[in-house]
Amino acid sequence: DTEVTQTPKHLVMGMTNKKSLKCEQHMGHRAMYWYKQKAKKPPELMFVYSYEKLSINESVPSRFSPECPNSSLLNLHLHALQPEDSALYLCASSQGQGGTEAFFGQGTRLTVV
Amino acid sequence: KNQVEQSPQSLIILEGKNCTLQCNYTVSPFSNLRWYKQDTGRGPVSLTIMTFSENTKSNGRYTATLDADTKQSSLHITASQLSDSASYICVVSAWAAGNKLTFGGGTRVLVKP
Repeated sequence: DTEVTQTPKHLVMGMTNKKSLKCEQHMGHRAMYWYKQKAKKPPELMFVYSYEKLSINESVPSRFSPECPNSSLLNLHLHALQPEDSALYLCASSQGQGGTEAFFGQGTRLTVV
Repeated sequence: KNQVEQSPQSLIILEGKNCTLQCNYTVSPFSNLRWYKQDTGRGPVSLTIMTFSENTKSNGRYTATLDADTKQSSLHITASQLSDSASYICVVSAWAAGNKLTFGGGTRVLVKP
């Protein structure tokens, strides 16, 4: 199983809503990532978890809150988002440090209205 | 500053023809270079990953080359198919960079019948 599964595939939320994005992998990978991708742009790193601990936060606004409940799951909690936060949110995982191959999920298309 | 530059930004080719995409990088110290294919609105899918000692790697009709001396890579698509229409992203990782990857801006390929 080389899949990274993200749910939901699409999400529309209001600026006052609270929602969560979920990511799951069963490859035994110990590093998991959240990326944000705007149209026609490369993915931008948001957070990295290594061995279930937050290792990198790329100065992401606090309205995005990551959580890693266990080695297979990664969540991104959303609260009080802005319309400019609308984007494709990608989860990825890799076996370890940057030298290993990263597998990406299919993404969640988020629209903030 | 670590950077990855891709060219061209976009190209149109006829079905059955070959094409070559370019990637130049300034990431240091170099760990590996990956090529991903990304369909619109979907997550990137890995095509190849190459380390310093590898000059070429193939995956079906996709062949990647790496010249670590000149810090250049190319992705050659042979006998293009309509399904090859996608963005192709060059991604480079550096040793001691934690789990951070440097993404190129991508090349958007459109294959026409």
